[in-house]
Amino acid sequence: DAGVTQSPTHLIKTRGQQVTLRCSPISGHKSVSWYQQVLGQGPQFIFQYYEKEERGRGNFPDRFSARQFPNYSSELNVNALLLGDSALYLCASSRGGEGTDTQYFGPGTRLTVL
Amino acid sequence: AQTVTQSQPEMSVQEAETVTLSCTYDTSENNYYLFWYKQPPSRQMILVIRQEAYKQQNATENRFSVNFQKAAKSFSLKISDSQLGDTAMYFCAFMKYYNNDMRFGAGTRLTVKP
Repeated sequence: DAGVTQSPTHLIKTRGQQVTLRCSPISGHKSVSWYQQVLGQGPQFIFQYYEKEERGRGNFPDRFSARQFPNYSSELNVNALLLGDSALYLCASSRGGEGTDTQYFGPGTRLTVL
Repeated sequence: AQTVTQSQPEMSVQEAETVTLSCTYDTSENNYYLFWYKQPPSRQMILVIRQEAYKQQNATENRFSVNFQKAAKSFSLKISDSQLGDTAMYFCAFMKYYNNDMRFGAGTRLTVKP
């Protein structure tokens, strides 16, 4: 079975622009979580979606939003980009929406904001 | 709030030897999960091992084992017979029982030397 996939692999944007990142979970997984990993740090939780509903939100500004589609894929949107948004954005999928299920990560999208 | 601390930013070990990575965490929860993830230079985050807090027995996966001390809130990872492919960033992570908000430590960069 295919693992978690993310697109694009790399992205370069300028300050003030908007970006959309995409994630496809492992087949059969209904939960998708998004994390931001700044260089040299551990990932930080942004959002979790389960069955198309937001289940959790980390300490990120409203410029960050996400949604989950009927096929359980997900998009992360970031508006009004800042230099500090430059990071690796990781998507993780799990079978259910609770902590009992292990999260499996995708390869990430490297976002550079100039 | 839950915090995860990895006090060793970098470690190195000779091939075939054993190394232990440290992790401590802070929580008031009684039920939770702990994880070690590996992130090689290719950046894909890979699950190494998982421990349920309600289990007293330490988890083991082939050459990887943990020393889980719940009262001390300590969760160390032991890698036996280290291999060159073990070279990576290792992240310790905490997750509440009914929540997908995973909290990561800052990571330990492990280098296995030939």
